[in-house]
Amino acid sequence: EAGVAQSPRYKIIEKRQSVAFWCNPISGHATLYWYQQILGQGPKLLIQFQNNGVVDDSQLPKDRFSAERLKGVDSTLKIQPAKLEDSAVYLCASRLPGQGEETQYFGPGTRLLVL
Amino acid sequence: AQSVSQHNHHVILSEAASLELGCNYSYGGTVNLFWYVQYPGQHLQLLLKYFSGDPLVKGIKGFEAEFIKSKFSFNLRKPSVQWSDTAEYFCAVNALRAAGNKLTFGGGTRVLVKP
Repeated sequence: EAGVAQSPRYKIIEKRQSVAFWCNPISGHATLYWYQQILGQGPKLLIQFQNNGVVDDSQLPKDRFSAERLKGVDSTLKIQPAKLEDSAVYLCASRLPGQGEETQYFGPGTRLLVL
Repeated sequence: AQSVSQHNHHVILSEAASLELGCNYSYGGTVNLFWYVQYPGQHLQLLLKYFSGDPLVKGIKGFEAEFIKSKFSFNLRKPSVQWSDTAEYFCAVNALRAAGNKLTFGGGTRVLVKP
């Protein structure tokens, strides 16, 4: 089966610019996650969706980060405006509903560099 | 909130050497414990998991981990590493019945196996 797709794979922007990342989960995976992985750290959950509804966005910096999953399939994560400390790999993951958290499939990530 | 700490950021060893990576977590309740691996250029993937029962769990590629509840630890081991074990290893905890019920990752350990 096809895996979790993410684009772009790399992005370089200047601070205060905006950026958007796209994720296409595995077909049928109603649960979708966005993680932020700063260099030298483990992935940190930003937001979790169940279909098009938000399950957990407690760690999403809502003053600059937003995410949506309008049709319950693809998702976009936006940063506006970006700061230097947003430089990180942004991982998307998905799983079937009702399965354990460890059944998440991770995408390749988008590596963001903010200059 | 739960947290996970991994003792070593980098480990360098030769082929056939034994590997042990430390992981400690902070959460007083019931947990599910995991080790993930990310090989160079590949996605994050599950290496092994502990839910309950025998505290010594075996995963893929000859890895095993031991859960010591009294020490809040879940250390990863492999008796004899291969060059192909070069990767970054992440310990993760799912604190059951905690707020959010999400995966919390440690900071990761980069392992380099010299041929």
